[in-house]
Amino acid sequence: EVQLVESGGGLVQPGRSLRLSCAASGFTFDDYAMHWVRQAPGKGLEWVSGISWNSGSIGYADSVKGRFTISRDNAKNSLYLQMNSLRAEDTALYYCAKDMGGTTVTFDYWGQGTLVTVSS
Amino acid sequence: SSELTQDPAVSVALGQTVRITCQGDSLRSYYASWYQQKPGQAPVLVIYGKNNRPSGIPDRFSGSSSGNTASLTITGAQAEDEADYYCNSRDSSGNHRFGGGTKLTVL
Repeated sequence: EVQLVESGGGLVQPGRSLRLSCAASGFTFDDYAMHWVRQAPGKGLEWVSGISWNSGSIGYADSVKGRFTISRDNAKNSLYLQMNSLRAEDTALYYCAKDMGGTTVTFDYWGQGTLVTVSS
Repeated sequence: SSELTQDPAVSVALGQTVRITCQGDSLRSYYASWYQQKPGQAPVLVIYGKNNRPSGIPDRFSGSSSGNTASLTITGAQAEDEADYYCNSRDSSGNHRFGGGTKLTVL
């Protein structure tokens, strides 16, 4: 059974940093790209960042480019999101999502999310 | 435009058929995937590729695409289908993008 468990969320002041983690199990982690997707309270889904299986290809939404860094440790079956210079508008539930792979544009498994609140 | 546009809300009578659409230029090049999200829950993939359903998704869910429009059709909507639905594809830079979501009400 595929499981994605996010952690690291919490209350943080504007301008500070936070690091999210996602522990993956139930599949061969280093075969698949992985993503972070967020959802602000009462709002829709927003893709944040994605990383290929070998970290060779990385992408960011314009809203986080230059502030967030995605990484992965295939030996630990873990995905990370380093969030710097946090803003109030970064307040959201952050989901870790597995890429289905192949030619599809699809997230086939999602975690339950970790809540990040940016407030003074 | 690299955006994906969805109607904010759609309603359907119980047992009837409803189509939820997603419009965007990127859909001329990429198939959309569709996600169902119920309150307080993580999104669930319901349709991907040309018209594929993951295991466990009822066959009343189907997908189609024409030009710059992708559609999710629910044939014989059930009360449990009431949820938010999001489409997803890539934009011109190759990054992922979601539509704004459609709130489906089953009457």
